[in-house]
Amino acid sequence: ETGVTQSPTHLIKTRGQQVTLRCSSQSGHNTVSWYQQALGQGPQFIFQYYREEENGRGNFPPRFSGLQFPNYSSELNVNALELDDSALYLCASSPGLGYGYTFGSGTRLTVV
Amino acid sequence: GENVEQHPSTLSVQEGDSAVIKCTYSDSASNYFPWYKQELGKGPQLIIDIRSNVGEKKDQRIAVTLNKTAKHFSLHITETQPEDSAVYFCAATRWPGGATNKLIFGTGTLLAVQP
Repeated sequence: ETGVTQSPTHLIKTRGQQVTLRCSSQSGHNTVSWYQQALGQGPQFIFQYYREEENGRGNFPPRFSGLQFPNYSSELNVNALELDDSALYLCASSPGLGYGYTFGSGTRLTVV
Repeated sequence: GENVEQHPSTLSVQEGDSAVIKCTYSDSASNYFPWYKQELGKGPQLIIDIRSNVGEKKDQRIAVTLNKTAKHFSLHITETQPEDSAVYFCAATRWPGGATNKLIFGTGTLLAVQP
C-alpha cells in the first residue's frame, strides 16, 4: 500500500508567477485536504476535496484553487505568488469524511 | 474563531524521562483530537488520537488524556528515547463535521531527548 506522494519536493518561484503542486492520494482514499505550513508554525487548512468536489475551505484567498481528479489525485494551484506564500504545502488523504488523515512529505515552496 | 494553544514550544528531557505536552482548544464542539509527530523534512505522522467519549488512551509508551470540561488534552511520552526527538503537534476537529473535518493545529512543540 503506497502512502501519499507529493511532487515536486522543492520549488523556487518568482513573485507574481503561478505554481501547481501535485498529490497522489493513498490507495482507497477519496478525500484530499491541503494545508500550508509556514516555518515554525502548525499546518493551516486550505481546502478539502471529496469525490472531486471542494467541500470546505479555510481562510485563504481565491488565488488558491484546486482540483481533484477521478482517480482522487489532486492539484493545488496558486496564482500571483506573494513572498508570504513561501511555506511547506502538505497534502493529506483519507478514506472518507470522518476518517483519519495520512499526510505526504510536502512540497517546499520558496517565493523570491 | 477556532483555536488550539499548545505548550511548551520547546521541551528538553533526558533519555528515560517522561515528557508532557499540553493543548487547549476553543471550539467546544470539537470531538476528535489527534497528535502528530513531524520529523525534519517529513510530513506529520499520526501517533495517537482520542475521541471525546473517552478520557484516556494509551499505546505503549504514549498516552493521551482529555478533559472536556476544561477543554484541555495532553500527550504523555514515558521512557523517552533519542528517536522521540521531533516536533509534536496537537490538533482538534469536529468529527464528522458536516461537510468538512478540517484539523485545527497547535503551534507545535520541539522535543529534544538528550542521550
